[in-house]
Amino acid sequence: EVQLVESGGGLIQPGGSLRLSCVVSGFTVSSNYMSWVRQAPGKGLEWVSLVYNGDTTYYADPVKGRFTISRDISKNTVYLQMNSLRAADTAVYYCARTASESYDSFFDYWGQGTLVTVSS
Amino acid sequence: SYELTQPPSVSVSPGQTASITCSGDKLGDKYASWYQQKPGQSPILLIYQDYKRPSEIPERFSGSNSGNTATLTISGTQAMDEADYYCQAWDSNTWLFGGGTKVTVL
Repeated sequence: EVQLVESGGGLIQPGGSLRLSCVVSGFTVSSNYMSWVRQAPGKGLEWVSLVYNGDTTYYADPVKGRFTISRDISKNTVYLQMNSLRAADTAVYYCARTASESYDSFFDYWGQGTLVTVSS
Repeated sequence: SYELTQPPSVSVSPGQTASITCSGDKLGDKYASWYQQKPGQSPILLIYQDYKRPSEIPERFSGSNSGNTATLTISGTQAMDEADYYCQAWDSNTWLFGGGTKVTVL
């Protein structure tokens, strides 16, 4: 059974840092593309970042230079290090497996999400 | 930057057909995916590569994509289909979502 379990969210002051974790079971992160997708309260979905092959990463413009995605193959876990947090980063953050085939790329498995609230 | 546009809301009577559109410049040249999200739940994949369904998704959900518009069709809509629906496409190593459409089953 595939499971993605996020953790690490919470209340953080503007300018602060937080690291999210996504523990995966049912497939290996080493052989899959993995993403973080966020959803601000009452808003739509927004892709944040993707990692594959260990050192290939992509970021959405709003988080470039502030967020870092990584993975630990030994723990089958994906991380999102978030620095210089802003109120606009307040959202539920989902971890998602990202399938890529035939010039298509989509999210076929999602975690339950972890809430990040940036507020003073 | 590339954008996907969806209507904010669609209403449908039980048993009828609901169509949700997703518009983007030459979207038909890309692949479109669709997700369903119910309140307090994570999104689930409904359609990928324009029209393909994961095995667990009911046949009443179908998709198409041509020109500038992708369409998700729900045939024989049920009360349980009331949810938010998002389209998604991939372009230049950026994963894009539409703004979402709230489907209300009246």
